[in-house]
Amino acid sequence: EDKVVQSPLSLVVHEGDTVTLNCSYEVTNFRSLLWYKQEKKAPTFLFMLTSSGIEKKSGRLSSILDKKELFSILNITATQTGDSAIYLCAVEALLDMRFGAGTRLTVKP
Amino acid sequence: DVKVTQSSRYLVKRTGEKVFLECVQDMDHENMFWYRQDPGLGLRLIYFSYDVKMKEKGDIPEGYSVSREKKERFSLILESASTNQTSMYLCASSLYPRVTEKLFFGSGTQLSVL
Repeated sequence: EDKVVQSPLSLVVHEGDTVTLNCSYEVTNFRSLLWYKQEKKAPTFLFMLTSSGIEKKSGRLSSILDKKELFSILNITATQTGDSAIYLCAVEALLDMRFGAGTRLTVKP
Repeated sequence: DVKVTQSSRYLVKRTGEKVFLECVQDMDHENMFWYRQDPGLGLRLIYFSYDVKMKEKGDIPEGYSVSREKKERFSLILESASTNQTSMYLCASSLYPRVTEKLFFGSGTQLSVL
């Protein structure tokens, strides 16, 4: 059965810390892996990864995919309180998109 | 910007009631989806639709039905609400003919069934 596992499930850090969020997956007919940020209600798109080893970067956020080991990481450097959110990993397979349970990140001042 | 609008932010219903959750997108997207989100379980797909009058079951369709009479509107129906359907419901849409790609989400409806 296809599955997406995120770790940790929750994380509390202080402003300025660097965090790494993990997403491992087992799906058939992998197409892409996506990261979303969910602050209040609606998840918003961060990255889509399709190729191994190519880092995607947006400001203090970056992400990379390892298709051999079947995982992705999302890095956030110099965290700010505004980074507090649930971070969702989703894997697109042939016919559907499967989400992980999410990592709840809390950044304290 | 794409806008996906869900008609209600919060709903409280009683067991056995028929519940309609409405979702409208304004960017002519082909694909629309209904998910529910529960703590520790992530987002789980209930139903999706590639086209008008077309629907496909997701992972957890039991107890739900959907309607897509117009391209921009995708409705989720709980025929007889039960307490285990208390959840956050998220509607999403995507442009391309493929199943997924980047999804645009609505703000969600927190449904409580008493």
